[in-house]
Amino acid sequence: QLQLQESGPGLVKPSETLSLTCTVSGGSISSSSYYWGWIRQPPGKGLEWIGSIYYSGSTYYNPSLKSRVTISVDTSKNQFSLKLSSVTAADTAVYYCARSRSSHHAFDIWGQGTMVTVSS
Amino acid sequence: DIQMTQSPSTLSASVGDRVTITCRASQSISSWLAWYQQKPGKAPKLLIYKASSLESGVPSRFSGSGSGTEFTLTISSLQPDDFATYYCQQYNSYSLTFGGGTKVEIK
Repeated sequence: QLQLQESGPGLVKPSETLSLTCTVSGGSISSSSYYWGWIRQPPGKGLEWIGSIYYSGSTYYNPSLKSRVTISVDTSKNQFSLKLSSVTAADTAVYYCARSRSSHHAFDIWGQGTMVTVSS
Repeated sequence: DIQMTQSPSTLSASVGDRVTITCRASQSISSWLAWYQQKPGKAPKLLIYKASSLESGVPSRFSGSGSGTEFTLTISSLQPDDFATYYCQQYNSYSLTFGGGTKVEIK
């Protein structure tokens, strides 16, 4: 059974770079049938898609975050990662990694989420 | 960017009620729409994809319809486990957007 697990610092200082990794277990990240994405949710608010990556490394990002976001994949470790630069308090959120099917781009498997707070 | 508008933002209903949630896209997205259920402190759960396809394991009381710019999620008979927040999500040309959410509360 495929599982996703987010990991990374829970506290990041303003202006620094937020870095998270999603480890995929129980299946291969190199499947041609799926994309791998990051979604976030500020406390008490709705969901915001950050970006997605294919196992080949091709990416697509939310235009509103594109200038600050880098998503990468490491197929040898079955992981993909998120970097968000120049963070502010507005980037405080629960960050989820998730799998989407390339046939319809809905996210069918999600990690449990990790809370990241931006504060000095 | 395509904007997704959900209505209502909050809905009060009783067990056994038929519930309908609407999602409108700012431009046509064909049938590239998904619906999710989220409970407090948990990750969202996929209910419907491609506007009307029921995800495996999801009860048949959930159904989706629509195409183009207007979509609906219907719960035919609301169960205690269904009190949650529901989100729509569109996909178009390598960009995704979520709706603002609809909280289904106990009446």
